[in-house]
Amino acid sequence: GENVEQHPSTLSVQEGDSAVIKCTYSDSASNYFPWYKQELGKGPQLIIDIRSNVGEKKDQRIAVTLNKTAKHFSLHITETQPEDSAVYFCAASKAYGGSQGNLIFGKGTKLSVKP
Amino acid sequence: DAGVTQSPTHLIKTRGQHVTLRCSPISGHKSVSWYQQVLGQGPQFIFQYYEKEERGRGNFPDRFSARQFPNYSSELNVNALLLGDSALYLCASSPRGAGHYEQYFGPGTRLTVT
Repeated sequence: GENVEQHPSTLSVQEGDSAVIKCTYSDSASNYFPWYKQELGKGPQLIIDIRSNVGEKKDQRIAVTLNKTAKHFSLHITETQPEDSAVYFCAASKAYGGSQGNLIFGKGTKLSVKP
Repeated sequence: DAGVTQSPTHLIKTRGQHVTLRCSPISGHKSVSWYQQVLGQGPQFIFQYYEKEERGRGNFPDRFSARQFPNYSSELNVNALLLGDSALYLCASSPRGAGHYEQYFGPGTRLTVT
C-alpha cells in the first residue's frame, strides 16, 4: 500500500524566513496531494492541495511543488509569521472520478516561528 | 457556514466498554470519512461512507464499525475498548462530486480509555 514519508519532523525558523517541508510517496498511482495545518487542540485544516496534472500551485505565501518522476512533493511557506507555528501534515490519495479516496498521511512536521 | 461538527469533544471510558462518536458533515457534503490520530502521529484512515454505503475501510479490527444516516451524518462505534484505542477521532466531509477531492476535518473527539 501507499507510504508517505515526511521530513523534517521539527523545523524552527526566524520570523520572515522561509520554511520548506518535504514528502515522498511510494504509490505511483497516487494523484492528489493535500497539505494540512493542525494547531493544538484542533482538527487538521486544509491549506493547499495539488493534483498530479500540475507541477506547482501557489496561494499567497504558500506554495506546493510536485515531482511525479521522483515521487516527492514539497510545501514552501515564505515570509513566515508566528501564527504559522503549528504541525503540518502532507498526505496522498488515489482520487478518481467523483471519489476522493482515503488519505495516507505523513507523520507531521512541527514548525516553530520565532518572533 | 458551519464546518464539520463532532460530538462529544472529550470522552473517558473504561477498558471493555463501548463508545459512539457522532459527526455532522458540512451542509451539502455527502461523503464522510473517519480517521484515528494517535498522539504525535498523522491521522490514520478507518472508514469512508457515501450515500449510506461503506466505500472504504482501513486496517482496523471488527470492533470498529460505522454508519451513515439519510441526512449524511455519521456514527463511529467502537466495542470492547482497549487502552490503545485512546486517540483523537476525526471526521472529514467531502462534496464527493466530479473533481471534488477535498476533505475537510472537524475538531475531533478526544477519547481516553482507562
